Order: sequence, then C-alpha cells, then structure tokens
Amino acid sequence: GQNIDQPTEMTATEGAIVQINCTYQTSGFNGLFWYQQHAGEAPTFLSYNVLDGLEEKGRFSSFLSRSKGYSYLLLKELQMKDSASYLCAVMDSNYQLIWGAGTKLIIKP
Amino acid sequence: GAVVSQHPSRVICKSGTSVKIECRSLDFQATTMFWYRQFPKQSLMLMATSNEGSKATYEQGVEKDKFLINHASLTLSTLTVTSAHPEDSSFYICSARDLSSENQPQHFGDGTRLSIL
Repeated sequence: GQNIDQPTEMTATEGAIVQINCTYQTSGFNGLFWYQQHAGEAPTFLSYNVLDGLEEKGRFSSFLSRSKGYSYLLLKELQMKDSASYLCAVMDSNYQLIWGAGTKLIIKP
Repeated sequence: GAVVSQHPSRVICKSGTSVKIECRSLDFQATTMFWYRQFPKQSLMLMATSNEGSKATYEQGVEKDKFLINHASLTLSTLTVTSAHPEDSSFYICSARDLSSENQPQHFGDGTRLSIL
C-alpha cells in the first residue's frame, strides 16, 4: 500500500532550528511536496523536490533522497508565526497526491 | 503566478439545503482538479478527482450522488453538496494540476468552510 509517515507533533524554541522528517512508500514517484497549513486555512505551498538533494528557500530548506524514500523540511531562525501544521505529500505515478497526516509544530518563546 | 480561486469561502445554511462550491484556475488550464475535505484537527482527505469532460473518480466511501462534481471546462470544476446535513459540515478544499509548471505542479484554492445548522 501507499504510506507517508511524519511525526504527529514537534516543539521548538523561537530562533532555533527544527527538522521535520517524512518517509514514504508509494506506487511510483513524481515528486514530494511540503505544505504549511495554519488552523482553519488552506495549505500553502512551501517546496517541491523531484531530484535528490537539498533545495533552499530563505529560512526553509527541503531535502530528498529517493533511494531511501525520505525527505525532511528544515526551518531555521524559527518565528512564532511558523507555528502551524506541516504536510508532506508525494505525487504518485497517477499524479495523485498521497498525504501524510501532518506534523503540528509548536513554537515556544 | 498561477492562482486557483475557490468560492464561496464560507457558507452557513440550514439542513436540507444544497450547496455549490466553485473552483477556478485563473491563468492556466487544469484538465484535472481534486476535491478534499478536512475535519478539525485531521489531515486532508481526497474525496474525488475531477477530469475535464468526463465523470469524476470518487474515493471509497464518498457518495457520488451526494457530492456532485462537474468539470465542464478546462478552468472550472464545481462540487455540489446535495441535501446537506450537519455531518457534512467541514472544510472543503480544491486543487488543480498545472502540467505547465515544473516547480509547483499543483495549486490549492483557499478552501470553503461549510457549516450546516
């Protein structure tokens, strides 16, 4: 079957760095997405990785290893507004998104 | 950049009412759109895949006669919740596949919060 695993909840301190891991097993692979979702709002696109390696975008970076079925989202210089759920999703061979349950990130002052 | 417009953003109505939600791709053609539902503190759940000019593909457990999907053009898909009841109250989100984009092949609407009294 298809499966996306990510931690349910993480806590970090303002100004620190946090890494949210995601492992996946899917029928085919056409890329991995990370989305940010604040409560009551639609997901906001953060990153898309289709090749192995690290993609950096400001304070956020995303890493992919296709051979290991593994990705992480790295958030630097954490701000209170980064408190949200972070969703990992893989696009399978049918171009459908398979979603993880999301990681709720709590930022403490 | 590419944008998906979803309307309305919020609906409050009485039990038994039918509600239509529109999802439009504003600057790209979307042959495929997706409809999701999200209950509080839960993950997104795919309800159906909407293909332009053909019948939608529904996920297991989703009633196709209750959640009517129409994808009549390359830029518009609609979801109609027929005879809505309180248990249908949820956050409904559409997304559209953008085959012309290498960096972001799927775009989300802002969602519709449906509350059935």
